[in-house]
Amino acid sequence: RKEVEQDPGPFNVPEGATVAFNCTYSNSASQSFFWYRQDCRKEPKLLMSVYSSGNEDGRFTAQLNRASQYISLLIRDSKLSDSATYLCVVNFGGFNKFYFGSGTKLNVKP
Amino acid sequence: EAQVTQNPRYLITVTGKKLTVTCSQNMNHEYMSWYRQDPGLGLRQIYYSMNVEVTDKGDVPEGYKVSRKEKRNFPLILESPSPNQTSLYFCASSPGTGGLEQYFGPGTRLTVL
Repeated sequence: RKEVEQDPGPFNVPEGATVAFNCTYSNSASQSFFWYRQDCRKEPKLLMSVYSSGNEDGRFTAQLNRASQYISLLIRDSKLSDSATYLCVVNFGGFNKFYFGSGTKLNVKP
Repeated sequence: EAQVTQNPRYLITVTGKKLTVTCSQNMNHEYMSWYRQDPGLGLRQIYYSMNVEVTDKGDVPEGYKVSRKEKRNFPLILESPSPNQTSLYFCASSPGTGGLEQYFGPGTRLTVL
């Protein structure tokens, strides 16, 4: 079983749509959670950290559900430039190891 | 400009020929790490370092070595590359240990024939 699992997609949505991704993790001791964005085999770039209370950054909202062991990313008012692969990342605290999901591909179409 | 650099960006080599991929960061970060990315598998951690002279294995360390003699540099060494090490490699750094956000280099595409 993978440590972090994501639906690979692709999610094909029109501009202006709202889209949500989920990511599940297996280790209940996980302490830090992130969403990264990756464009076409370029380097991943941090989109946002995910906090227990949830957090929002403009059109992006991230939520953490520790009881069910998943994190989510909501993108409102999708733009063409949001087309990318979104990576879910989990850190197991004291082990200083990071586990990446294989990514969810988003295609935003005109 | 704050950045993580990797060299070379592209490399084609043959089985068994030792190679080193360099990684350098100018942000005075304590934590550095190497990943490989393969289709369908996502990024997998190879080795990481929490500070100078402190390194530890990630999930896929077999066939790789690292060293951290200076804070800014974290080279990845393949003593005897094999075709199954053909992959896209990323170096990353983080301001500290304890699961902070990471900053990635541009990647090194390695092909082992």
